Amino acid sequence: DVKVTQSSRYLVKRTGEKVFLECVQDMDHENMFWYRQDPGLGLRLIYFSYDVKMKEKGDIPEGYSVSREKKERFSLILESASTNQTSMYLCASSFEGIYGYTFGSGTRLTVV
Amino acid sequence: GQQVMQIPQYQHVQEGEDFTTYCNSSTTLSNIQWYKQRPGGHPVFLIQLVKSGEVKKQKRLTFQFGEAKKNSSLHITATQTTDVGTYFCAVAGGTSYGKLTFGQGTILTVHP
Repeated sequence: DVKVTQSSRYLVKRTGEKVFLECVQDMDHENMFWYRQDPGLGLRLIYFSYDVKMKEKGDIPEGYSVSREKKERFSLILESASTNQTSMYLCASSFEGIYGYTFGSGTRLTVV
Repeated sequence: GQQVMQIPQYQHVQEGEDFTTYCNSSTTLSNIQWYKQRPGGHPVFLIQLVKSGEVKKQKRLTFQFGEAKKNSSLHITATQTTDVGTYFCAVAGGTSYGKLTFGQGTILTVHP
């Protein structure tokens, strides 16, 4: 069974901390994505990557950065966590082109 | 980027009733995808529609893509309690990287 694995299901961090969210896929997908999901706002794209070391900003990249050193791993970094970054973070991957996404189970991050 | 409006935001039905959610765009779409997210879960890819006027069925679910490729619908016949969740449509952002913009989602509640 194909998988996208996110390292933590729940995470609590303090304001100002540097936070790393990890995502690993085992499907040899070219594309990987980070979304955040908030009630009433749906899924909003933070960053995506279409190849190793390649990245593009999504709709809400402010306060975030990403890293993709290996094809299977896509990391989301909160440089200095703030309370307005409390959210559900969803990683997804897909083949090159327009294909359905496979999502991870999500990380619910709380910044206090 | 590409935007899509999804209605209704909420739908409450009695078990056995039918349910429909709609996605509308002001511009012509290259394709549209549908996802289901169970409460507490992550979005799961259901289907992709590409052709004008396309109709696809998955058991009690019927997916349609409008003739003008500006709208789509998901219809569930005789809902069951297992159908509860949020249904999202998603459209491509116009690049080859497979970036998707999601609709706001329709939250379906089924009363037994």
